[in-house]
Amino acid sequence: NAGVTQTPKFQVLKTGQSMTLQCAQDMNHNSMYWYRQDPGMGLRLIYYSASEGTTDKGEVPNGYNVSRLNKREFSLRLESAAPSQTSVYFCASSEGVGRAFFGQGTRLTVV
Amino acid sequence: AQSVSQHNHHVILSEAASLELGCNYSYGGTVNLFWYVQYPGQHLQLLLKYFSGDPLVKGIKGFEAEFIKSKFSFNLRKPSVQWSDTAEYFCAVNGGGYNKLIFGAGTRLAVHP
Repeated sequence: NAGVTQTPKFQVLKTGQSMTLQCAQDMNHNSMYWYRQDPGMGLRLIYYSASEGTTDKGEVPNGYNVSRLNKREFSLRLESAAPSQTSVYFCASSEGVGRAFFGQGTRLTVV
Repeated sequence: AQSVSQHNHHVILSEAASLELGCNYSYGGTVNLFWYVQYPGQHLQLLLKYFSGDPLVKGIKGFEAEFIKSKFSFNLRKPSVQWSDTAEYFCAVNGGGYNKLIFGAGTRLAVHP
């Protein structure tokens, strides 16, 4: 049972480059989330999707876009990466307002 | 808007000491409350959760938390910590039927042998 799978695990980008972080879950959950984790700031919600076909902004959405491709997949796109987006990104899923299951994280460095 | 405050950013304890980590939330409606733990180099794992019922909830590894509605608090406790409890602990809340899970800033716990 894979749970929540994120790719890639590590990425280095140059300022201005774009990339998409992929996330897939195999638990048939309706809700999916993207967070970024920075030292001393905990996990901050970037975007979330309560169900297939819907997405909503979280606490720090600027500079990001998301796509809920289907029930399984929720991708996060950085159109023009900036050094301030250097962070560890976590995808999570949950069934409604229940407990969330997290992926292993993507460590992104923007130089 | 929902928000979560964790009072202690860094806590250092010796083994066998008791632990209490504070968590307060801001939200007026019905809430679901969680404590997650992140061991070094790993992703977040659920320690315990509160949805309804008995306000004293027990989780894994001897942790427990008490929901005090009047204080908007959900503090995490453990009577006797071990070196293996060294980790970062996050309080989280969602509520009102919104699937918007918000986290506190985290508390980094270091337990010395």
